[in-house]
Amino acid sequence: EAGVTQSPTHLIKTRGQQATLRCSPISGHTSVYWYQQALGLGLQFLLWYDEGEERNRGNFPPRFSGRQFPNYSSELNVNALELEDSALYLCASSWTVYEQYFGPGTRLTVT
Amino acid sequence: AQTVTQSQPEMSVQEAETVTLSCTYDTSESDYYLFWYKQPPSRQMILVIRQEAYKQQNATENRFSVNFQKAAKSFSLKISDSQLGDAAMYFCAYRSGLGGNTPLVFGKGTRLSVIA
Repeated sequence: EAGVTQSPTHLIKTRGQQATLRCSPISGHTSVYWYQQALGLGLQFLLWYDEGEERNRGNFPPRFSGRQFPNYSSELNVNALELEDSALYLCASSWTVYEQYFGPGTRLTVT
Repeated sequence: AQTVTQSQPEMSVQEAETVTLSCTYDTSESDYYLFWYKQPPSRQMILVIRQEAYKQQNATENRFSVNFQKAAKSFSLKISDSQLGDAAMYFCAYRSGLGGNTPLVFGKGTRLSVIA
């Protein structure tokens, strides 16, 4: 069974640009989560999608947005990039409360 | 809002010895789940162990066990017979049992070094 996949592995953008990150969940998982792991801040919850709907979002500005497609894959968009958006972005999927399975992450660098 | 606190930013242990990582959490809920995740240098988050709040028995997975003290809101991880491959960041996480497959709330992590 394939795990959670994320693309790209690395992404380098300039301040003010837009970044798009992609995530494919494990087959059969309907919930997708996005987390930001910035240096020294641990993992912070960004967005939760389930059955195509946004269920909850963390304490992030509206320029962080996303969507979930009919095949349950998901996309995270970050507009008007700022230097402090540089971080590892982790996607996870689940279909029960017992575990979330994580992807390898996308390293976003904003210069 | 729920919070998770890991008070040990770094820990070290000799190979084959035992180490305990601390975690406390704050919640007013009675239905929840607690997890320990491991993140090696490869960045891949791996579930180490899970504890359901309604279970009194402490969870165990091979060399990994927890000490779950519900009244004290404490959830420590014990690693026995430490191995070099155990070196990683360890994150304690909380998940509400209400509202479906809710997101995880993480602590800031403990970096574990294993000394040969």
